[in-house]
Amino acid sequence: QVQLVQSGAEVKKPGASVKVSCKASGYTFTSYGISWVRQAPGQGLEWMGWISAYNGNTNYAQKLQGRVTMTTDTSTSTAYMELRSLRSDDTAVYYCARGRYGSGSYYTYWGQGTLVTVSS
Amino acid sequence: DIVMTQSPDSLAVSLGERATINCKSSQSVLYSSNNKNYLAWYQQKPGQPPKLLIYWASTRESGVPDRFSGSGSGTDFTLTISSLQAEDVAVYYCQQYYSTPLVTFGPGTKVDIK
Repeated sequence: QVQLVQSGAEVKKPGASVKVSCKASGYTFTSYGISWVRQAPGQGLEWMGWISAYNGNTNYAQKLQGRVTMTTDTSTSTAYMELRSLRSDDTAVYYCARGRYGSGSYYTYWGQGTLVTVSS
Repeated sequence: DIVMTQSPDSLAVSLGERATINCKSSQSVLYSSNNKNYLAWYQQKPGQPPKLLIYWASTRESGVPDRFSGSGSGTDFTLTISSLQAEDVAVYYCQQYYSTPLVTFGPGTKVDIK
């Protein structure tokens, strides 16, 4: 069965960087892209970007351009999301998700979420 | 970007009664070449990731109870829970994937028991 397992919670200071991992199993990793979605406390869902696990092509949300980098390691079937220059409003649960189709679409599988807390 | 709005922000419905949530997109998400609406609905309970309920605006995901149904086309969509159960208390989000991989979500609608 398809599983997306994310790394554990992180606490970071403002200005620091965080790198969250998402290990995939149960399917051919390079056949699907991975999207990242975040959710601030008590707030809605915000799409952050998408990476093709086939060729590494990325598509980032405009508001995060320059601060976010998404990568994959096909040898371990793991996707990564790095966010730099952290601010307090980056405090959120970060989810990886996989669509039914390779290029995204609606999300049939989600990771369990990783809480990133940004606090001085 | 396509902006999604939802109404109401929250609603309280008696057990066994109907709950209706509306979702509107700032531009049509109907793709003319295949006549499909690129609109999905999710349910999210506290401490859990979202769960896919409906895709293509009206196709129920496998395992989702048939009391959940989706309708609409173009820019206006509705999620209906025909007979609210206690386990349906959650926040519901619509999502457009017309511009995939760039997708956008509605702000969410909280459903409670009256």
